Amino acid sequence: AQSVTQLDSQVPVFEEAPVELRCNYSSSVSVYLFWYVQYPNQGLQLLLKYLSGSTLVESINGFEAEFNKSQTSFHLRKPSVHISDTAEYFCAVSPTNFGNEKLTFGTGTRLTIIP
Amino acid sequence: NAGVTQTPKFQVLKTGQSMTLQCAQDMNHEYMSWYRQDPGMGLRLIHYSVGAGITDQGEVPNGYNVSRSTTEDFPLRLLSAAPSQTSVYFCASSYNHRQGYSYEQYFGPGTRLTVT
Repeated sequence: AQSVTQLDSQVPVFEEAPVELRCNYSSSVSVYLFWYVQYPNQGLQLLLKYLSGSTLVESINGFEAEFNKSQTSFHLRKPSVHISDTAEYFCAVSPTNFGNEKLTFGTGTRLTIIP
Repeated sequence: NAGVTQTPKFQVLKTGQSMTLQCAQDMNHEYMSWYRQDPGMGLRLIHYSVGAGITDQGEVPNGYNVSRSTTEDFPLRLLSAAPSQTSVYFCASSYNHRQGYSYEQYFGPGTRLTVT
């Protein structure tokens, strides 16, 4: 079985400041790692994913996440946030033999950008 | 493409009533799933299907039934609604292993259900 821990339920950040959203996971098998974003009153959208290769992955809107196998972490970072980044962010894992199926989600981190 | 659609958007039920949440997708995805989202608990998998005619239980299946007669549709049935089933329900779809994984699940807009 897998589990995902997002310790910060809420993160307030001033506009143009950097942010890091933390994600740690536990699994007895190899996993793929994902970050999904949920904008207010919408469904979830894939932000970025780690499957293999380079441990640093990037999204098209400036977010990046680094897979750290020894620390079983997949923290999400952005060097300068914008008001439009206000959303809830979910870290998720899936066993590699299930592709992106059977996702296990963390409890989410609500990112609030302060003007 | 409409993507993943869900109906209704909102629903209020009385305890003991039954209803069906509808989910449809037009992307020819063989994998479909239902999640419920509760404050402080993230999303939890209720049921999933890897193709028409095949369904299986997720993490929290009790009180819910599913069937998959077509690739496009994956309805979720609440047999006898309880207040504990008050939640936001999301349907998602993706390619499965036979289709070649895209490693992305596509989510519908959600159904907000209140059971009184």
